[in-house]
Amino acid sequence: GQQVMQIPQYQHVQEGEDFTTYCNSSTTLSNIQWYKQRPGGHPVFLIQLVKSGEVKKQKRLTFQFGEAKKNSSLHITATQTTDVGTYFCAGPEDSNYQLIWGAGTKLIIKP
Amino acid sequence: DGGITQSPKYLFRKEGQNVTLSCEQNLNHDAMYWYRQDPGQGLRLIYYSQIVNDFQKGDIAEGYSVSREKKESFPLTVTSAQKNPTAFYLCASSIESGAYNEQFFGPGTRLTVL
Repeated sequence: GQQVMQIPQYQHVQEGEDFTTYCNSSTTLSNIQWYKQRPGGHPVFLIQLVKSGEVKKQKRLTFQFGEAKKNSSLHITATQTTDVGTYFCAGPEDSNYQLIWGAGTKLIIKP
Repeated sequence: DGGITQSPKYLFRKEGQNVTLSCEQNLNHDAMYWYRQDPGQGLRLIYYSQIVNDFQKGDIAEGYSVSREKKESFPLTVTSAQKNPTAFYLCASSIESGAYNEQFFGPGTRLTVL
């Protein structure tokens, strides 16, 4: 069946280091959304990408949508403690056009 | 304040009992969703509703039921037929149904079946 795969599952970084999570789809996506879930919290929408090769920035966060619209990435520059949480990508499911979610990448800041 | 409320935050039930989770929104959104989240996994869609008095099964609907009698409310019943009901349940809404629309989430209900 259709899948959205996200890697890595966890990433441990020192504060100030960069962080990247990758999202790969088994099918071409019309759009992709990114959400952040803080520990103990609920997902919060970050951004949506629609165009092939699109790059969007939000302060230290850079989001990319691949040229073939089958992959996407989120890069955080110089991580801060406020970045801790799990980052999810989600794209449309072919059968019902609802969101199908990646498993998430958990960002952990080393003490 | 506009938003989505879910209650209760924690719920404990004995095996074999049905339990209903509440979800209310005052965002005037047409679409509402129920997701299940298990540790280390993404969100899985249980049911969704595109408009009042209508709802559709998601990927893991077996053992669950919903109703949408009012625009603001979308309760989820976890029945005794659900084999592994212990999980974190998230309700969400969007202005319209479909994957182009930003989803707004409630705080979630953590259900434990003993």
